[in-house]
Amino acid sequence: EVQLVESGGGLVQPGGSLRLSCAASGFTFSNYEMNWFRQAPGKGLEWISYISISGTTIYDADSVKGRFTISRDNAKNSLYLQMNSLRDEDTAVYYCAREEPMVGFDPWGQGTLVTVSS
Amino acid sequence: DIQLTQSPSFLSASVGDRVTITCRASQGIDYYLAWYQQKPGKAPKLLISSASSLQSGVPSTFSGSGSGTEFTLTISSLKPEDFATYYCQQLHSYPITFGQGTRLEIK
Repeated sequence: EVQLVESGGGLVQPGGSLRLSCAASGFTFSNYEMNWFRQAPGKGLEWISYISISGTTIYDADSVKGRFTISRDNAKNSLYLQMNSLRDEDTAVYYCAREEPMVGFDPWGQGTLVTVSS
Repeated sequence: DIQLTQSPSFLSASVGDRVTITCRASQGIDYYLAWYQQKPGKAPKLLISSASSLQSGVPSTFSGSGSGTEFTLTISSLKPEDFATYYCQQLHSYPITFGQGTRLEIK
């Protein structure tokens, strides 16, 4: 079964850091581009970061540029999101998703909740 | 950035009804548009890719059409499990963007 499982979410104070992980199984992770998305409580979906198969090309949304860093370890079938300088507005459920270029994102993980609050 | 405007934002309908959701792009995106369904507490599910290609396992009551700047998602006969929020998404260029969502509720 093709599956993505996020972990690492939790409660963090403003200005703090957190590292999210996304474990992939059921497919050849090293053949796919990957992305992170998020959804603030009661709000819509927001794309935040892309990484190429090799990890050499990265795109970030302006809202997280300079604060969040996407990375991957193909040997461990894992995707990561290092989040620094967290703000209240970063509170959201964070999803990883496999990309089919120009087609869509499937599957998505179940999501992990990040709450930024003092 | 490419802006996507979905309408309506909220839709109330009955089981068996036919409904249509529209997604307009701020610039031409060819057919690089996807539709997702999201239920409360769950991850989004890809329904339609490339504007009109139904994903495997998605009921044939769902269909998509359009190209360029105007797209539609149609559900031909609503079932109870179709009541959810629907999002369009453009894959023409980064940053990837979504419409604001259409919440479909039972009348």
